[in-house]
Amino acid sequence: GQQLNQSPQSMFIQEGEDVSMNCTSSSIFNTWLWYKQDPGEGPVLLIALYKAGELTSNGRLTAQFGITRKDSFLNISASIPSDVGIYFCAGPSGSARQLTFGSGTQLTVLP
Amino acid sequence: DGGITQSPKYLFRKEGQNVTLSCEQNLNHDAMYWYRQDPGQGLRLIYYSQIVNDFQKGDIAEGYSVSREKKESFPLTVTSAQKNPTAFYLCASRFSTEAFFGQGTRLTVV
Repeated sequence: GQQLNQSPQSMFIQEGEDVSMNCTSSSIFNTWLWYKQDPGEGPVLLIALYKAGELTSNGRLTAQFGITRKDSFLNISASIPSDVGIYFCAGPSGSARQLTFGSGTQLTVLP
Repeated sequence: DGGITQSPKYLFRKEGQNVTLSCEQNLNHDAMYWYRQDPGQGLRLIYYSQIVNDFQKGDIAEGYSVSREKKESFPLTVTSAQKNPTAFYLCASRFSTEAFFGQGTRLTVV
């Protein structure tokens, strides 16, 4: 099936720094979703992107739908301790009936 | 409140026993999903259902079974045939393209 490659796999940053992560695919996606998972909890939807080139913000988070429709980017500005968690990208696959997830980016924010 | 409820949060079972994980949603979503998550890894699809009384295997369905008798409920049974059942299990429901998750069930087989 379709696969999403997410990078980096993990990040250690200082509080207050900006963060960038990305997700790429060998095939076209019509929707990109970004989720955050806190330890021991289910993922929570952060941002949904529906159109190539679209740039959407949610507070300190900004995500972009790549022009080629094969990639997406998530940026977090001025990181804070509660940003710690795993960030996943996801997109519909299998005739849009399934949802494929990337392997995740583990973010650690150091005080 | 609308949402997805998974129960129990933690589950311990002896090796060789079947165990059923509950997933209930009151969002009126047609599609429901079960994912498995192992430490440090992403989400792998076990089963999904688009409508009542219909479901399809995902990427790692071996050793698992599901039913979808009601729109609100999509229970997952981890059978004794599953070789390595200890994991974090996540249920999701979906409307259009966006999926919403429950809080997960951590299953430990001893």
